[in-house]
Amino acid sequence: GDSVTQTEGQVALSEEDFLTIHCNYSASGYPTLFWYVQYPGEGPQLLFRASRDKEKGSSRGFEATYDKGTTSFHLRKASVQESDSAVYYCALSDITGNTGKLIFGLGTTLQVQP
Amino acid sequence: EAAVTQSPRSKVAVTGGKVTLSCHQTNNHDYMYWYRQDTGHGLRLIHYSYVADSTEKGDIPDGYKASRPSQENFSLILELASLSQTAVYFCASRTGGTQYFGPGTRLLVL
Repeated sequence: GDSVTQTEGQVALSEEDFLTIHCNYSASGYPTLFWYVQYPGEGPQLLFRASRDKEKGSSRGFEATYDKGTTSFHLRKASVQESDSAVYYCALSDITGNTGKLIFGLGTTLQVQP
Repeated sequence: EAAVTQSPRSKVAVTGGKVTLSCHQTNNHDYMYWYRQDTGHGLRLIHYSYVADSTEKGDIPDGYKASRPSQENFSLILELASLSQTAVYFCASRTGGTQYFGPGTRLLVL
């Protein structure tokens, strides 16, 4: 079945550091890919999405490019802030069966020190 | 912005008891979902619904029932709560391919 793999379970950075969180997926066809962010005590909220090869999604300084060749959708930010501390989830939308369900990676906890 | 609310926000239940988690959305979305979040597993789909009075099984439906009495409301029911059902539960609704999540319900089964 479809799956999403996030390489990093936890990332610790200092403010103004460069962030990369790796996301690779396995799916047939062209799933829509998502990055969600979850702050403590809240539900996941959409950061951005991309639906086709080479499409770049971006929001709040974060960005990721859909790469079908490498089946990747890595999250990057040039300069992180303490307020970016949260859990980040990569997800794909199941395009089979028309359920629209999301398949999530295990999440990456980002801790940014001031 | 989609509005999805959940109640209660937290609950302590006894093993073998019945638990009902409620979800309400105000944006007329057709699809609604229940996910479970556990450390080491991310979020996993329990049940979903695409129309009132109809529910479908997700990936981990065992031990859970769902009810969609109206387009706005979607409940998750644990008839006989077990220790293994301790988790955080999220409801979501979907429009245009994007899901919008509620704030979650933290359930502790003792």
